[in-house]
Amino acid sequence: GAVVSQHPSRVICKSGTSVKIECRSLDFQATTMFWYRQFPKQSLMLMATSNEGSKATYEQGVEKDKFLINHASLTLSTLTVTSAHPEDSSFYICSARPGQGSNQPQHFGDGTRLSIL
Amino acid sequence: GDSVTQMEGPVTLSEEAFLTINCTYTATGYPSLFWYVQYPGEGLQLLLKATKADDKGSNKGFEATYRKETTSFHLEKGSVQVSDSAVYFCALSEGWTGGGNKLTFGTGTQLKVEL
Repeated sequence: GAVVSQHPSRVICKSGTSVKIECRSLDFQATTMFWYRQFPKQSLMLMATSNEGSKATYEQGVEKDKFLINHASLTLSTLTVTSAHPEDSSFYICSARPGQGSNQPQHFGDGTRLSIL
Repeated sequence: GDSVTQMEGPVTLSEEAFLTINCTYTATGYPSLFWYVQYPGEGLQLLLKATKADDKGSNKGFEATYRKETTSFHLEKGSVQVSDSAVYFCALSEGWTGGGNKLTFGTGTQLKVEL
């Protein structure tokens, strides 16, 4: 089946550093990838939609200069949390959609738990 | 805007018990509805879906019926197993879609099944 790999699974770093999270579709090409954020006991909230070869589309209230998204190939999207602070600590989940249209379901990675000290 | 409300967990059941996890939604149009499951240590997996009113999605013994009149999509299973222990997320996507568009999720309901 379609597999999405997310790396790292967990990261702990100091306040002020930048953290990069990778999302790879291992056995299919993904024109579109999505980045979600989940706070404890809350919903997954869509942060942005990442399209290969073009700028990401950010949801309202998400700082695009804070959360940099690069979708340079059909199998890789990256999310960089710049100058991370404790309030950025959260669970980040990516998903990838095979093909061009919306008929195909999203396939999710296992998530990255980010802890900023 | 769109929203999804799920019953809070954790829900603890004995094996072979009947399961219901309630889900209601608010949407401006005619959404597609989904249930996702997240087993411990794994990513979210699509469990079932329904794309229009009165549709019933089913998979692995789980069922949910799209009820437009009550804006609900409750998840049911007649006899749960220990292996069903996981977190279940209700979600919607605007319009007819297989789930490839923006998803709005509920908060998730943790299910624990004991012997």
